[in-house]
Amino acid sequence: KQEVTQIPAALSVPEGENLVLNCSFTDSAIYNLQWFRQDPGKGLTSLLLIQSSQREQTSGRLNASLDKSSGRSTLYIAASQPGDSATYLCAVRKGDYKLSFGAGTTVTVRA
Amino acid sequence: EAGVAQSPRYKIIEKRQSVAFWCNPISGHATLYWYQQILGQGPKLLIQFQNNGVVDDSQLPKDRFSAERLKGVDSTLKIQPAKLEDSAVYLCASSWTENTEAFFGQGTRLTVV
Repeated sequence: KQEVTQIPAALSVPEGENLVLNCSFTDSAIYNLQWFRQDPGKGLTSLLLIQSSQREQTSGRLNASLDKSSGRSTLYIAASQPGDSATYLCAVRKGDYKLSFGAGTTVTVRA
Repeated sequence: EAGVAQSPRYKIIEKRQSVAFWCNPISGHATLYWYQQILGQGPKLLIQFQNNGVVDDSQLPKDRFSAERLKGVDSTLKIQPAKLEDSAVYLCASSWTENTEAFFGQGTRLTVV
């Protein structure tokens, strides 16, 4: 069974600081990995999808890296803003195509 | 492009009552997922459809939960009878195929009292 862990559970940073969010998974035989953002009381918004053959993926201020062999992915958010405050979830898709989620990291960016 | 639509947004019911949730996926998406998200936890897959066939329902409590996807488009998830521990957000998602980017709806927040 695929276990997905996100540490820390919560993070608070001052505005302008770079954010580093971690995701680890137990089974390295993944198909792809997806990062999501969830605002309070809302659904999930897709941020980035990394295929297993890729090392990183970028979108604007967001950069996600993938190290399949060590079972890790990192989401970097450059120059954080108060609007980046949300819960960030990673989800891993294995060969059976099931998407397994971590519990998320709740980020607060202080103005 | 319209996103994944879910209704209702909120529902409050008493235990032992029944409830149904509706999902309309993004047009053309073959794969549809229902997830349950309990407060403070990540979403847990309940059931996954590929067109109108069930791919995985291993974590669906089949004694009380049921889901269908008629004609491979819209889907409904039903709980009958509801228990207090069913209080959660029910999320619907869809993707072009089973291994492509998943897009989520706004969710239905269910409170069982």
